[in-house]
Amino acid sequence: DAGVIQSPRHEVTEMGQEVTLRCKPISGHNSLFWYRQTMMRGLELLIYFNNNVPIDDSGMPEDRFSAKMPNASFSTLKIQPSEPRDSAVYFCASSLFGGHQPQHFGDGTRLSIL
Amino acid sequence: AQTVTQSQPEMSVQEAETVTLSCTYDTSESNYYLFWYKQPPSRQMILVIRQEAYKQQNATENRFSVNFQKAAKSFSLKISDSQLGDTAMYFCAFMNLNTPLVFGKGTRLSVIA
Repeated sequence: DAGVIQSPRHEVTEMGQEVTLRCKPISGHNSLFWYRQTMMRGLELLIYFNNNVPIDDSGMPEDRFSAKMPNASFSTLKIQPSEPRDSAVYFCASSLFGGHQPQHFGDGTRLSIL
Repeated sequence: AQTVTQSQPEMSVQEAETVTLSCTYDTSESNYYLFWYKQPPSRQMILVIRQEAYKQQNATENRFSVNFQKAAKSFSLKISDSQLGDTAMYFCAFMNLNTPLVFGKGTRLSVIA
């Protein structure tokens, strides 16, 4: 079975550019999560969706960050404009909504903003 | 808000030995779930083991087992017969019903040949 698929795996771009990260959750999962991982702050939850609806976006650091889930099989995380401090590994995870179901993670996107 | 604390930023263990990673958490809930995830240098996040709070029996997955002490809010991970492939960051995580995971800061484990 295919796991959570993220693209791109690496992204290097200059500050001020728009960055779009993509995620395809596991088929049948109805919860999707975006995390950011840095050395200083560890794993931070940015936003999560249940049944394509954003439930909690309190972790989104600034208005420069936005996330969408237009359908059950696709989500994007966009940063516009990007800044060097946005450099991090961004993970997408999915699960079945409801209590004890663990989250399954994608391989992450390593983002470097120059 | 729930918090998860991993007090050991780094640990090392000799190959074939046993090591225990500590995790404590804070919650007022009685029904919740606990997890250990492993992140090797490849940066994948891999679920190692999970524990339901309502179960008294400690979870076991091959060489990995937990010591769940609900009253003490402690959830340690024991790795037996450590292997070089166990070298990774290990994250303890907590989840209520219908809420996302809350992660600890992680413990970096090095297995030494």
